[in-house]
Amino acid sequence: AQKVTQAQTEISVVEKEDVTLDCVYETRDTTYYLFWYKQPPSGELVFLIRRNSFDEQNEISGRYSWNFQKSTSSFNFTITASQVVDSAVYFCALTLQGGSEKLVFGKGTKLTVNP
Amino acid sequence: NAGVTQTPKFRVLKTGQSMTLLCAQDMNHEYMYWYRQDPGMGLRLIHYSVGEGTTAKGEVPDGYNVSRLKKQNFLLGLESAAPSQTSVYFCASSLAGARNEQFFGPGTRLTVL
Repeated sequence: AQKVTQAQTEISVVEKEDVTLDCVYETRDTTYYLFWYKQPPSGELVFLIRRNSFDEQNEISGRYSWNFQKSTSSFNFTITASQVVDSAVYFCALTLQGGSEKLVFGKGTKLTVNP
Repeated sequence: NAGVTQTPKFRVLKTGQSMTLLCAQDMNHEYMYWYRQDPGMGLRLIHYSVGEGTTAKGEVPDGYNVSRLKKQNFLLGLESAAPSQTSVYFCASSLAGARNEQFFGPGTRLTVL
């Protein structure tokens, strides 16, 4: 069965600090897709990134970066020089290549960036 | 483009009442989904549709029904609401399935008394 674990329930940092959100996943399939979504206080979920299981290259987008390591089944998300606008709940999610359309979400990490 | 819209935004029901939540998307997406979000639980898939006229059960389908009569609309029905269905409901759509980015609506906050 698929499972996504976000062990950090809440994180609080001061503006300009770097912060890493952890995501550990479980699946027996060799082909799968991992996602990060952001849910700001307004409530709507916003897509951040998708990564397939065959692409272990790390990705950087501005202040955001993602570290995918199949050896440890982790897909961690780092925000560099955090800003107040980064305050949100962040979800990691996993889906498989074929069959069910099920996207399994972690329970989310609430990030608060204080000025 | 409005993206994904949901109606209503808020609703309070009494136990046993019925209601329908409407989701509409203007992106011509084939796939549509209904999720519920409960505190500390993340999002869980209720039902989904892979195209007009199709529906399928997700992780937590009991107590809900869905219909996809038109490609752009996906309806979620509660026939006899229960307090356990108090939640925030999100609709999402995707061009080509769960392996791709999903676009989410703003959510519907439902309280069942």
